[in-house]
Amino acid sequence: IAGITQAPTSQILAAGRRMTLRCTQDMRHNAMYWYRQDLGLGLRLIHYSNTAGTTGKGEVPDGYSVSRANTDDFPLTLASAVPSQTSVYFCASRQGAHTGELFFGEGSRLTVL
Amino acid sequence: GQNIDQPTEMTATEGAIVQINCTYQTSGFNGLFWYQQHAGEAPTFLSYNVLDGLEEKGRFSSFLSRSKGYSYLLLKELQMKDSASYLCAVKDSNYQLIWGAGTKLIIKP
Repeated sequence: IAGITQAPTSQILAAGRRMTLRCTQDMRHNAMYWYRQDLGLGLRLIHYSNTAGTTGKGEVPDGYSVSRANTDDFPLTLASAVPSQTSVYFCASRQGAHTGELFFGEGSRLTVL
Repeated sequence: GQNIDQPTEMTATEGAIVQINCTYQTSGFNGLFWYQQHAGEAPTFLSYNVLDGLEEKGRFSSFLSRSKGYSYLLLKELQMKDSASYLCAVKDSNYQLIWGAGTKLIIKP
């Protein structure tokens, strides 16, 4: 079934550790996004990529990095996790940077202790 | 700054009609989305409005007034499975989505 796959689905992490959240899509979408969702707040954009080989900063990029080596994969790395990064992380994609609706992965629940 | 406002929570009865409002103030406007999100799941696309007026899709309809910075999602013949959060998002002048915090809809029998 076509879609977006995220891994892990859930993770508990000690503060200061490095963590990479994986995201893979098989829809050949050009644009990909990482959001975090926290209670009482709207989805907030962390980083995005309009096409393979390019990335950009969103609303809350500090403490996170991304890469887009190919069309399908868009990993999100926390270099040194802090408790404020406890959240649910959603990867999403759409056909173009300006067009189409977003398709979301199932989310990765991250707890930083 | 950019702002999307939605009610935090609404309650409705099975079989009834409910209207969820969304007002926005954004830097530019290139369309408005509504998404449904069941607890513990990913958001899924419901509707997209870019021109003023009503878009109908089965039991769900979405309305947009760009001059008023206002949209609503209308759900008819409510079913228990409609219990979810409904997210309003505006595509701004940079084509990025600005999201509201979502409206949690509780359906009672």
